[in-house]
Amino acid sequence: AQSVAQPEDQVNVAEGNPLTVKCTYSVSGNPYLFWYVQYPNRGLQFLLKYITGDNLVKGSYGFEAEFNKSQTSFHLKKPSALVSDSALYFCAVSDPMNRDDKIIFGKGTRLHILP
Amino acid sequence: DGGITQSPKYLFRKEGQNVTLSCEQNLNHDAMYWYRQDPGQGLRLIYYSQIVNDFQKGDIAEGYSVSREKKESFPLTVTSAQKNPTAFYLCASSEGFAYTDTQYFGPGTRLTVL
Repeated sequence: AQSVAQPEDQVNVAEGNPLTVKCTYSVSGNPYLFWYVQYPNRGLQFLLKYITGDNLVKGSYGFEAEFNKSQTSFHLKKPSALVSDSALYFCAVSDPMNRDDKIIFGKGTRLHILP
Repeated sequence: DGGITQSPKYLFRKEGQNVTLSCEQNLNHDAMYWYRQDPGQGLRLIYYSQIVNDFQKGDIAEGYSVSREKKESFPLTVTSAQKNPTAFYLCASSEGFAYTDTQYFGPGTRLTVL
């Protein structure tokens, strides 16, 4: 069965520093991977997704993520953090080999950007 | 939050009551979903619908019911059989029901049992 893990419950980064939010996955075949962001008391907003092709995916608000098949990871990155990036981030995976055909979400990582 | 609306934003329920959460989308999406969000547990799928007049149970369907009579509407009823309904409920939709389709989320309804 497919699964996704976000190993850090919380990440603290100083404003202006690069940030990384980690995500690892487990699927039978080639994964489809997503990142979403959630601000307090709001729904999730789509940031980016990897389907195929270039391992480096660029998304909204200056975020990017790198697909690494050998390490089964899809870490979210941004070169220079803003205080407004503080939010809850979710990684999600779907597995074309899984007949249930559902997206599985990680438990989320809370990102704090310190001014 | 795009073209998905959820109402009400906050809902209070007494023990033994059924309550219905509204979800409407104007994105012309075929697929719609209901998730429950609890602190530290991420999102868990309650029900999903691929097309009108069809829906399937997700991972935690017990104590919930849905209907999909119109393409744009997917209401969720939390019944008295749901033992711990206090949570944040999120509705989502996607263009189709494919592995690659991005889901778009509404703003959520926070349900509290008194």
